Amino acid sequence: AQSVTQPDIHITVSEGASLELRCNYSYGATPYLFWYVQSPGQGLQLLLKYFSGDTLVQGIKGFEAEFKRSQSSFNLRKPSVHWSDAAEYFCAVDGNQGGKLIFGQGTELSVKP
Amino acid sequence: GAVVSQHPSRVICKSGTSVKIECRSLDFQATTMFWYRQFPKQSLMLMATSNEGSKATYEQGVEKDKFLINHASLTLSTLTVTSAHPEDSSFYICSASGMDEQFFGPGTRLTVL
Repeated sequence: AQSVTQPDIHITVSEGASLELRCNYSYGATPYLFWYVQSPGQGLQLLLKYFSGDTLVQGIKGFEAEFKRSQSSFNLRKPSVHWSDAAEYFCAVDGNQGGKLIFGQGTELSVKP
Repeated sequence: GAVVSQHPSRVICKSGTSVKIECRSLDFQATTMFWYRQFPKQSLMLMATSNEGSKATYEQGVEKDKFLINHASLTLSTLTVTSAHPEDSSFYICSASGMDEQFFGPGTRLTVL
């Protein structure tokens, strides 16, 4: 069965520090991969997605993610975190490529001054 | 990006009553919409896929007679929680599929007393 694992439930980083949020998936083929951010009172916002091609994907708000087939991973990175980045981050996969998303457990990001 | 709205944003109802949640794609037509449920501090769980003009497809373990989904137009899908009970209290989120991604509504907080 398809699954998505985000090993870190909660991460705290200092403002200006770099960030990496981990995501591993379990699926036979390469699924479509997504990172979303959820802020209180707002809908999930797509940060970036990977379908095929270049394994380093650039997204909005300065985020990027790298697809590593050998590790079944799609980790999200940002070189310098801003206080406004504090939110819940979800990794998701679409294994059937038909729009049905399976979400990871989420990683809550806190940013300290 | 495209905008998806949900109404109401929060609702409190008595046990045994039914509650209808609307999901609208405001600036695009969505042949497919999805309904998710999110428990506090947990991930989004796909409940059902809603296709315009046809019956919804429910995920395993989701009671179709309890969670009635109607997708009568390309811009509106509704989720009705029938005979709601306290265990149905949750955060319900819809998304609309378009332009190779899903656009999420802000969610509806349902509390059943």
